[in-house]
Amino acid sequence: DAKTTQPTSMDCAEGRAANLPCNHSTISGNEYVYWYRQIHSQGPQYIIHGLKNNETNEMASLIITEDRKSSTLILPHATLRDTAVYYCIVRVANRDDKIIFGKGTRLHILP
Amino acid sequence: EADIYQTPRYLVIGTGKKITLECSQTMGHDKMYWYQQDPGMELHLIHYSYGVNSTEKGDLSSESTVSRIRTEHFPLTLESARPSHTSQYLCASSEAGQGNEKLFFGSGTQLSVL
Repeated sequence: DAKTTQPTSMDCAEGRAANLPCNHSTISGNEYVYWYRQIHSQGPQYIIHGLKNNETNEMASLIITEDRKSSTLILPHATLRDTAVYYCIVRVANRDDKIIFGKGTRLHILP
Repeated sequence: EADIYQTPRYLVIGTGKKITLECSQTMGHDKMYWYQQDPGMELHLIHYSYGVNSTEKGDLSSESTVSRIRTEHFPLTLESARPSHTSQYLCASSEAGQGNEKLFFGSGTQLSVL
């Protein structure tokens, strides 16, 4: 699977939009982009995923560039409870393979 | 809400003891995973399974073993626990589908070996 690179940490003011970037320059055509977050020592929580088109759900929006080499997770109105480590993963659907988490981005929401 | 359960939530044991960490899911997922995570560090995949009677080793070498006799159950066993095994162990499952393979995680087991 393609690897991803993310900034180690980011800060965002409460109430503002948090934009978390992810580079996946070696992504192949059948690989999806998934985002998860982990709050403190809890198990990671699924946020959103996409293939080519931008996606939005009740938690966040996912913007994927046209060449699919990078993506941005957007939390539209960040709250203190959004402080977490955010992981970007790319993988092929319906394949029996390992799911590897990288170091992710530690997002701090500032009051 | 995800229906995946791990027990115990916390475990403190002495060196040399045999332990089994339990993980069960009621979603009928074929794929299950075990991750190990130290405080503030990244998750490391130690075992995974595609389905019944299937088990594979992950990226991080582990002295633990797993079994998958039933779809819903994926226990992890340490035959002889050591202080180096002190860590958090997270179990996850996912369904197989066309781009809809969301991972669902349990709450984890925090293991301390004295």
